[in-house]
Amino acid sequence: AQSVTQPDIHITVSEGASLELRCNYSYGATPYLFWYVQSPGQGLQLLLKYFSGDTLVQGIKGFEAEFKRSQSSFNLRKPSVHWSDAAEYFCAVGLTTSGTYKYIFGTGTRLKVLA
Amino acid sequence: DVKVTQSSRYLVKRTGEKVFLECVQDMDHENMFWYRQDPGLGLRLIYFSYDVKMKEKGDIPEGYSVSREKKERFSLILESASTNQTSMYLCASRDPADFYEQYFGPGTRLTVT
Repeated sequence: AQSVTQPDIHITVSEGASLELRCNYSYGATPYLFWYVQSPGQGLQLLLKYFSGDTLVQGIKGFEAEFKRSQSSFNLRKPSVHWSDAAEYFCAVGLTTSGTYKYIFGTGTRLKVLA
Repeated sequence: DVKVTQSSRYLVKRTGEKVFLECVQDMDHENMFWYRQDPGLGLRLIYFSYDVKMKEKGDIPEGYSVSREKKERFSLILESASTNQTSMYLCASRDPADFYEQYFGPGTRLTVT
């Protein structure tokens, strides 16, 4: 069955430190891959997406993610975290099975940033 | 920019009440979705609609129904609200030609007492 795993429920980093949020998926083919961010009390905002081509994709707010087919991973990174990055981050895959479009989310990683 | 709006940000209802959550998108998207978000469970799909008057069950449709009479509007209905339906509800829309990207509304936090 298709699934998305975000192994880290909570992550705490200091402001200015680098960040990596992990995401692994289970699917027979290469899905479409997304990272969303959700600030407290808000809806989801798309950070970046991968469909094909260059496996390192750039997104908004200084985030990037790298698709690694061999590891079925799509980890999100940022070289220097800002206090405003404190939020919950969701990895998601878009795929089609039996002619039906599906969008599967991970359970999220909550990021805390220390001043 | 795509805009997806939801009728209420916060809603408090009593057990047994019929509850309507409204979602409107302004980009003429064919596809619309209702998700439920709970801590530790991520987002789970309740229902989706490919087009007007079309609907498909998602992963957790029990206790919910939907209505899509107009392209821009997708309503989620809790026929008889229960306390286990206390949650954050997120609506999304999508252009099928847009490689699966979904656009989300701000969410409705529903509390059933």
